[in-house]
Amino acid sequence: GEDVEQSLFLSVREGDSSVINCTYTDSSSTYLYWYKQEPGAGLQLLTYIFSNMDMKQDQRLTVLLNKKDKHLSLRIADTQTGDSAIYFCAESTRDDKIIFGKGTRLHILP
Amino acid sequence: KAGVTQTPRYLIKTRGQQVTLSCSPISGHRSVSWYQQTPGQGLQFLFEYFSETQRNKGNFPGRFSGRQFSNSRSEMNVSTLELGDSALYLCASSPEAADNEQFFGPGTRLTVL
Repeated sequence: GEDVEQSLFLSVREGDSSVINCTYTDSSSTYLYWYKQEPGAGLQLLTYIFSNMDMKQDQRLTVLLNKKDKHLSLRIADTQTGDSAIYFCAESTRDDKIIFGKGTRLHILP
Repeated sequence: KAGVTQTPRYLIKTRGQQVTLSCSPISGHRSVSWYQQTPGQGLQFLFEYFSETQRNKGNFPGRFSGRQFSNSRSEMNVSTLELGDSALYLCASSPEAADNEQFFGPGTRLTVL
């Protein structure tokens, strides 16, 4: 079945770049997403990429997609304390469901 | 524009009881999806409603049900609660069915004792 895997934790120093990685299994996924969840809040869509794209950039965020390896990454440039959150990778499936990874907790070191 | 609202925000129930959670989507949005979030299983899709019809369903037992009203507000119901139903239940709305951009509410945290 469909599955999305990502590492559970990442620690990064303030000002450095954060790279959060994700792998997925459904090669027919049309869209891949990155969501952010802050403590006590719901999920916020950060960005999404269409499966025929390799890269998408939006201010400090860069999404890279390697469709051959089914690998997606989110790079956050100049990481700030406000970026501390759980980041979820998600894919849309052929039957229009969205499958989420278990989330990567990003911890910012001073 | 007001965001997605969910009520109640917190709920405590005991095993065997039933519970109804409510979600009001963003004005003009016709699709509402429900998710269960637990530390062990992560975020899992429950179901999606569009124009008062269940359009899609995840792999949850029949104790989990939902409905959508003509004003797009949605409710989900869980009957015969089990301890494992303790979770954060998130609702998301989007303008159309299977839309790319879903807007999430803050969730209802259900604790089953």
